Amino acid sequence: AQSVTQLDSQVPVFEEAPVELRCNYSSSVSVYLFWYVQYPNQGLQLLLKYLSGSTLVKGINGFEAEFNKSQTSFHLRKPSVHISDTAEYFCAVSGVSNYKLTFGKGTLLTVNP
Amino acid sequence: ETGVTQSPTHLIKTRGQQVTLRCSSQSGHNTVSWYQQALGQGPQFIFQYYREEENGRGNFPPRFSGLQFPNYSSELNVNALELDDSALYLCASSLETVYNEQFFGPGTRLTVL
Repeated sequence: AQSVTQLDSQVPVFEEAPVELRCNYSSSVSVYLFWYVQYPNQGLQLLLKYLSGSTLVKGINGFEAEFNKSQTSFHLRKPSVHISDTAEYFCAVSGVSNYKLTFGKGTLLTVNP
Repeated sequence: ETGVTQSPTHLIKTRGQQVTLRCSSQSGHNTVSWYQQALGQGPQFIFQYYREEENGRGNFPPRFSGLQFPNYSSELNVNALELDDSALYLCASSLETVYNEQFFGPGTRLTVL
């Protein structure tokens, strides 16, 4: 079984500032890792994923994340945020041989002008 | 390419009633997963359907059931609705059961009074 802990429920930042959203996971097997974004009243959109290979993963909208196996972390970063990045962000994990995504509780990123 | 669609968008039911939610997969996707997202929480896996058969289930009671049709569209049925069933129900489609890049629909907001 897997579990995900998103360490911050809310992260307020100013526009053009850098941001890091933290995610730790627990699993007894090898994992795939994902970040999804959810805008108000919408479904989930995949930002980026780690399946294998390079531990630094680049996604859409200028986001990137780094997989750290020793620290069981998969933190999401963006060097300069925009107002339009305001949304809920979910970290998710699955085992490499199972089918279900296990999500964290989400981090609300609020970008202020 | 058509994305994942869900109907209806919103639904209000009373306790004890039954409800059916519908999902059309993204073109070419043969696997459908359903998730429940309670207010302020991350999505929780309900079950997955692959080639018209249930292919795994989360921690949900039997009154949550589903179907997948030959065209890969899917239904989620919930019997004997309870107040705690109020949530956003998300459908996600993918190409295979193991490779877990899932594409989400906009969801159906169910309110149980």
